[in-house]
Amino acid sequence: AQSVTQLGSHVSVSEGALVLLRCNYSSSVPPYLFWYVQYPNQGLQLLLKYTSAATLVKGINGFEAEFKKSETSFHLTKPSAHMSDAAEYFCAVSEGGAQKLVFGQGTRLTINP
Amino acid sequence: EAQVTQNPRYLITVTGKKLTVTCSQNMNHEYMSWYRQDPGLGLRQIYYSMNVEVTDKGDVPEGYKVSRKEKRNFPLILESPSPNQTSLYFCASRAGSLTQETQYFGPGTRLLVL
Repeated sequence: AQSVTQLGSHVSVSEGALVLLRCNYSSSVPPYLFWYVQYPNQGLQLLLKYTSAATLVKGINGFEAEFKKSETSFHLTKPSAHMSDAAEYFCAVSEGGAQKLVFGQGTRLTINP
Repeated sequence: EAQVTQNPRYLITVTGKKLTVTCSQNMNHEYMSWYRQDPGLGLRQIYYSMNVEVTDKGDVPEGYKVSRKEKRNFPLILESPSPNQTSLYFCASRAGSLTQETQYFGPGTRLLVL
């Protein structure tokens, strides 16, 4: 069965610093992987997705993620944090052609001025 | 503007009093889904629908019902709510394949069952 683990329920970085949010997945077949962002009092918005094309995926707002099969990871990064990046971030996996998303527990990102 | 709307946004009710949370999308999407979000658990799928009159259980369907009589609407029904259904609920829709299409989420409905 597929599953997702996000390491760290809360990450805090300074404005301008590197953002790294960790996601590891478990899947018995080639996975499709997603990162979503949730701003306060809003629904989820797709940041980026990996669907077996390029392993380095670029998303919106300067975020990117790299699919590493050997490490079963799909970590999210941004070179320079901005105050507007403060939000909760969810990693999700879908197995093969399945149409269901399984979400991780979420990581709350705080940006310090 | 493309959007998924949910009503109500906030609801306080008592145990056993039937309630319905409505979900509507204006994008003519085939696929719609309901999730609940609880602290430390992320989002868990309750029910989904691939098209009109086609619904199926997600991971946590107990205590919930859904219907899909029209393409645009996908209401979530709690026939006899209990306190463990206190949660934040999201409706989502997309045009087709998860890998090809973006899934849009509604703004959420925060439910408190006393």
